[in-house]
Amino acid sequence: EVQLVESGGGLVQPGGSLRLSCAASGFTFSSYWMHWVRQAPGKGLVWVSRINSDGSSTSYADSVKGRFTISRDNAKNTLYLQMNSLRAEDTAVYYCARDLLRFLEWDYMDVWGKGTTVTVSS
Amino acid sequence: EIVLTQSPATLSLSPGERATLSCRASQSVSSYLAWYQQKPGQAPRLLIYDASNRATGIPARFSGSGSGTDFTLTISSLEPEDFAVYYCQQRSTRRFGGGTKVEIK
Repeated sequence: EVQLVESGGGLVQPGGSLRLSCAASGFTFSSYWMHWVRQAPGKGLVWVSRINSDGSSTSYADSVKGRFTISRDNAKNTLYLQMNSLRAEDTAVYYCARDLLRFLEWDYMDVWGKGTTVTVSS
Repeated sequence: EIVLTQSPATLSLSPGERATLSCRASQSVSSYLAWYQQKPGQAPRLLIYDASNRATGIPARFSGSGSGTDFTLTISSLEPEDFAVYYCQQRSTRRFGGGTKVEIK
C-alpha cells in the first residue's frame, strides 16, 4: 500500500524550531518529487515547499523562504521539513504529498499523508 | 503572480443534483490546473489534473473542463460522499484557490 506518514508536530514557542518527518512506503520514494502543504485551522490549502527526486533542487513559498528547509534521505525513504524562527501564523496541519509523475516535476499531488499538527504559541 | 478565485464559496445541493464549481485564474494557466476534494479531518484527494484528466480511481461522475483562465469541475449526480470542500490548484506556482464547500441542502 502506498503510504505517507508524517510525524514531528507539536507545540512550540514563537521563534522556536521543529523538524517534521514524512515516512514513505509502498512506492519507489527516490523516483518522485515531494511536497509539503499546510492548512491553518479552518482555512484553505497552502503549498509550502517541494524537492526534486535526488534532493538537489528545492523551492519554497515566499512566506517560509529563509526559515524552512526541505530535505530528503532516499536511503531512509523519508522527507523532512526543518522549520526555524516559527511564527504564530505557521500554526497549521502540515501534509507531505507525492508528485503525480515519476522522475518529473508535475506539481500535482496524488498521494497525501494524514498530516501532523504544528502549533506556535507562547 | 497568478491568483485562483473559486466560486461560489458555498454550494447547497441535494443528493442526485448536478454540481458545477468554477475556478478562475488571474492570467492564463493553459490547461495546467488540478482539482482536489477534502473532507473534514482528512487529507485532500486529487480528482482531476491538467484540467480534464481524472486521477486514478476517481469515479466518472467527476469531470473537469476549461483552459486559459476559466475552469469548471462538474459532479454529474451528487452522491452522499461527495459533500466536501473542493480546491483548484495550478502548476506553475503550485498555489491553491480558496475552495468551494459543497453542502447538503
